[in-house]
Amino acid sequence: GQQLNQSPQSMFIQEGEDVSMNCTSSSIFNTWLWYKQDPGEGPVLLIALYKAGELTSNGRLTAQFGITRKDSFLNISASIPSDVGIYFCAGQPPRAGGTSYGKLTFGQGTILTVHP
Amino acid sequence: DGGITQSPKYLFRKEGQNVTLSCEQNLNHDAMYWYRQDPGQGLRLIYYSQIVNDFQKGDIAEGYSVSREKKESFPLTVTSAQKNPTAFYLCASAGQGNYGYTFGSGTRLTVV
Repeated sequence: GQQLNQSPQSMFIQEGEDVSMNCTSSSIFNTWLWYKQDPGEGPVLLIALYKAGELTSNGRLTAQFGITRKDSFLNISASIPSDVGIYFCAGQPPRAGGTSYGKLTFGQGTILTVHP
Repeated sequence: DGGITQSPKYLFRKEGQNVTLSCEQNLNHDAMYWYRQDPGQGLRLIYYSQIVNDFQKGDIAEGYSVSREKKESFPLTVTSAQKNPTAFYLCASAGQGNYGYTFGSGTRLTVV
């Protein structure tokens, strides 16, 4: 199945540094979502974006819905050790026919390691 | 509190045995999904269901089976036909609208 191109695949940073990751797609999406997965747990939704050009913040996290609807980025400022985990982007396509649920397409994930 | 529960958290089975992973949600979500995740890897879709008594194969359905007899429950059976079943299994659910999925905390299956 189709997957988003998420980069980078992994990052090793020092505590206090800023982090940036992004996702691109050949298809347009109506919704972009960013999830974080802690080791051994399920992904948890961080930020949801619903309009092209939208910029949304959640604490130290900032995400943007690309103007072309084919990309999104996530920034983490002033990283801390608990930011460690896997970050996934996900896109939800325009609704097909009468269905109410557009099946998500996930990126491959960015593995973030933060050194104290 | 509403949520989605996967059980057990850890599961060990001998090779050749079928095993069923439980997934229950009380979010009143219509759609439910099963994903497989290998170490350091992304999420691969096994099966999904958008309505009771109906389900569709995902990208890696071979060796797996599901049922959806109740809205709240979507159990996954890993059969002996699955060649490499050791993995982390995630269940998710989704309701109306574009709010993404709610994930369970996962089941780590080890086959020895």
